[in-house]
Amino acid sequence: DAGVTQSPTHLIKTRGQQVTLRCSPKSGHDTVSWYQQALGQGPQFIFQYYEEEERQRGNFPDRFSGHQFPNYSSELNVNALLLGDSALYLCASSFGTWNNEQFFGPGTRLTVL
Amino acid sequence: KNQVEQSPQSLIILEGKNCTLQCNYTVSPFSNLRWYKQDTGRGPVSLTIMTFSENTKSNGRYTATLDADTKQSSLHITASQLSDSASYICVVSAIPSSNSNSGYALNFGKGTSLLVTP
Repeated sequence: DAGVTQSPTHLIKTRGQQVTLRCSPKSGHDTVSWYQQALGQGPQFIFQYYEEEERQRGNFPDRFSGHQFPNYSSELNVNALLLGDSALYLCASSFGTWNNEQFFGPGTRLTVL
Repeated sequence: KNQVEQSPQSLIILEGKNCTLQCNYTVSPFSNLRWYKQDTGRGPVSLTIMTFSENTKSNGRYTATLDADTKQSSLHITASQLSDSASYICVVSAIPSSNSNSGYALNFGKGTSLLVTP
């Protein structure tokens, strides 16, 4: 039983570029949440997807957008990258939005130069 | 405002020693509290989860306590091993409001960085 997987593992971009990160949830899970974790900080909630819709959103600008596919996998898109977007991006999956038993993926390390 | 504060920020201990990490929160209404272990550059892994009625939960050498009255939790690590070196994150979940169609809100602490040395 595969756990939560994310791709790519590492990514280097320059300011102003756009990036897409991908996440496949744990088998049997239908909800995907995305988090941004700056170095030395705890994860910050970006948004959550369920039934292909954004159900909750944290305090992040519209440059951060996402999508969930019918197979429950999800993408995180960030436009007009800023240096401050450099972070570890974590994906977590769960079954239903009302169940907070979240399982985290290994993360994608994004570096913006 | 829901907040989770962890202390100490970092800790260095000798292999074989015990240590205790602290978590204070102001999250309300309280649903549950989790402790996660996060190795450098990896995703967090859940160690324990406690609801309002539970005051102790163990997972091997890890024992978490919860005092819902004072809104404090601790994670005690016994007989530390080099592999315990990681960041330990306290996460407190709030029950969503009745007029919200969203799920539980997770509030993360910044973590305690633990280094176990030989």
